[in-house]
Amino acid sequence: ETGVTQSPTHLIKTRGQQVTLRCSSQSGHNTVSWYQQALGQGPQFIFQYYREEENGRGNFPPRFSGLQFPNYSSELNVNALELDDSALYLCASSLSPEHNEQFFGPGTRLTVL
Amino acid sequence: AQSVSQHNHHVILSEAASLELGCNYSYGGTVNLFWYVQYPGQHLQLLLKYFSGDPLVKGIKGFEAEFIKSKFSFNLRKPSVQWSDTAEYFCAVNSPRYGGATNKLIFGTGTLLAVQP
Repeated sequence: ETGVTQSPTHLIKTRGQQVTLRCSSQSGHNTVSWYQQALGQGPQFIFQYYREEENGRGNFPPRFSGLQFPNYSSELNVNALELDDSALYLCASSLSPEHNEQFFGPGTRLTVL
Repeated sequence: AQSVSQHNHHVILSEAASLELGCNYSYGGTVNLFWYVQYPGQHLQLLLKYFSGDPLVKGIKGFEAEFIKSKFSFNLRKPSVQWSDTAEYFCAVNSPRYGGATNKLIFGTGTLLAVQP
């Protein structure tokens, strides 16, 4: 059984640029959630994708957007990067939006200069 | 707003000492409770979870947690820690009432545990 994978592992961008992060869900999981973990903080929910549509969103501006593909993999896009976007971005998958247990990937460390 | 509080930000213990990490949440109604661990350089892993039933739950690696509904608490315990328990520990909650259509998790700020050999 393949776990949740994310790419890239690390990324350095400059302010104002755009970035795309990728996530492959665990085998059999159709629901993907994205979280932002700033330094010294717990992960914060950005949004969730289910059946290729956004299924719920946290308190993040519209420049954070996403996609889910038919194979359940997902992308997180961030436009107009700001310094405060520097964080570890975590992807988590679950069997369904109703299934309480989520499995996390290793994360992508984004640094914005 | 819904929140999860972890009282200890940094904990330093010697091997074989007992561990208790506090977690309180601010939700009413039905909640599901989790403890996750993040070892250095590794991804978040589930230590244990509580959905319903016996409020004392046992997880992996000798960890356990007790759900006390009247105190809105879900404290993590281990009788005797090892050097390999050095990690960051996160308490998390989700709730059918507050999650909407999602199973989103609300995390605490984490507790960094350092175990000295």
